[in-house]
Amino acid sequence: QLQLHESGSGLVKPSQTLSLTCAVSGGSISSGGYSWSWIRQPPGKGLEWIGYIFQSGSTYYNPSLKSRVTISVDRSKNQFSLKLSSVTAADTAVYYCARVRTTVSQYFDSWGQGTLVTVSS
Amino acid sequence: DIRMTQSPSSLSASVGDRVTITCRASQSISTYLNWYQQKPGKAPKLLIYAASSLQSGVPSRFSGSGSGTDFTLTISSLQPEDFATYYCQQSYSTLYTFGQGTKLEIK
Repeated sequence: QLQLHESGSGLVKPSQTLSLTCAVSGGSISSGGYSWSWIRQPPGKGLEWIGYIFQSGSTYYNPSLKSRVTISVDRSKNQFSLKLSSVTAADTAVYYCARVRTTVSQYFDSWGQGTLVTVSS
Repeated sequence: DIRMTQSPSSLSASVGDRVTITCRASQSISTYLNWYQQKPGKAPKLLIYAASSLQSGVPSRFSGSGSGTDFTLTISSLQPEDFATYYCQQSYSTLYTFGQGTKLEIK
């Protein structure tokens, strides 16, 4: 069974770069029919899609974050990563990685457990 | 951006009740609509994809319907484990967006 596990710094200073990694186990990140995504949820609030990366390496980002976001894949380690630069307190959230089933309809079919990132000096 | 609006934002119901949650898109999204359930401190879980397809392993008391701009998630007979927050999400646009969530509470 596919499992995703987020890791990275739980505390980031304002103006610095948030870096998270999602390790994929129980399946290959290179499997066809899937892309890989990051979603976040500020405390007590709803879900916000950050972006995703396709098998081809193409990326799509939420325009509200596009200038600060980079998603990349390391196939040798079966993991993908998120970098968010110039963070502020508004970036404090639980960050989830997820697999996107990219058939006729696209949906998040598997999620990591989430990791809380706090932006504070 | 395609805006997704759920109603109600919160709902109180009893075990055994039939419950319906509505999701409206700001433009037509065909059937590119998914539903997730989230319990406190946990990741969201996929319930319904493509508006009406039940994800494997999800109880049959959950069902989805709709197309275009109006969609519904129905729970036919509430069970204690169904009290959670529910989100709709559109994948019609490459810019995915979620509804604001509907919190289902015990009456």
